[in-house]
Amino acid sequence: DQQVKQNSPSLSVQEGRISILNCDYTNSMFDYFLWYKKYPAEGPTFLISISSIKDKNEDGRFTVFLNKSAKHLSLHIVPSQPGDSAVYFCAASPYNQGGKLIFGQGTELSVKP
Amino acid sequence: KAGVTQTPRYLIKTRGQQVTLSCSPISGHRSVSWYQQTPGQGLQFLFEYFSETQRNKGNFPGRFSGRQFSNSRSEMNVSTLELGDSALYLCASHRGSTNEKLFFGSGTQLSVL
Repeated sequence: DQQVKQNSPSLSVQEGRISILNCDYTNSMFDYFLWYKKYPAEGPTFLISISSIKDKNEDGRFTVFLNKSAKHLSLHIVPSQPGDSAVYFCAASPYNQGGKLIFGQGTELSVKP
Repeated sequence: KAGVTQTPRYLIKTRGQQVTLSCSPISGHRSVSWYQQTPGQGLQFLFEYFSETQRNKGNFPGRFSGRQFSNSRSEMNVSTLELGDSALYLCASHRGSTNEKLFFGSGTQLSVL
């Protein structure tokens, strides 16, 4: 049972445009959400996170939006750069289980010059 | 500040053997979590250790075990290796509270022949 879903396996965007990556979850006990960037054979690198008490969090070019009623979050990257090309994972943490993350399947982002 | 260190980087084993992977967390981090990444199943949570005690456990068979030492370093052991255990094993650390980002190591790539 996939509790965290990223329905788009891949996304291609032109440099300078906005990249929007989406993530849906089913478990209402998730209270903390994170986005990670990953290259093959390397560990994930943290990008940005959001607590369930918020609906938006920004950090430079990265913004995460959380819609709790729809159980949906999204990552916006503006403007997109070729160096952003990687696999992006959405992850959710169940309430009071800090070291346990449930990951989506990932979306491969390709930013073309 | 040094990041999460995992050793070895690559391992080749044969079916039936056992293997031990090592993880040194970021200084000051008391929680270490382990994850398995495979092409078919994605990133899956194995277990978390905090102050030398297993705090959370994922849905993996008992062949997968771990421990944590007083200096927060952790080891993961897989006994009676199967072909399906071939994967990238990732270790992550954080201070130990809830709603914290996890910092990942580069992983150990295990191949079972």
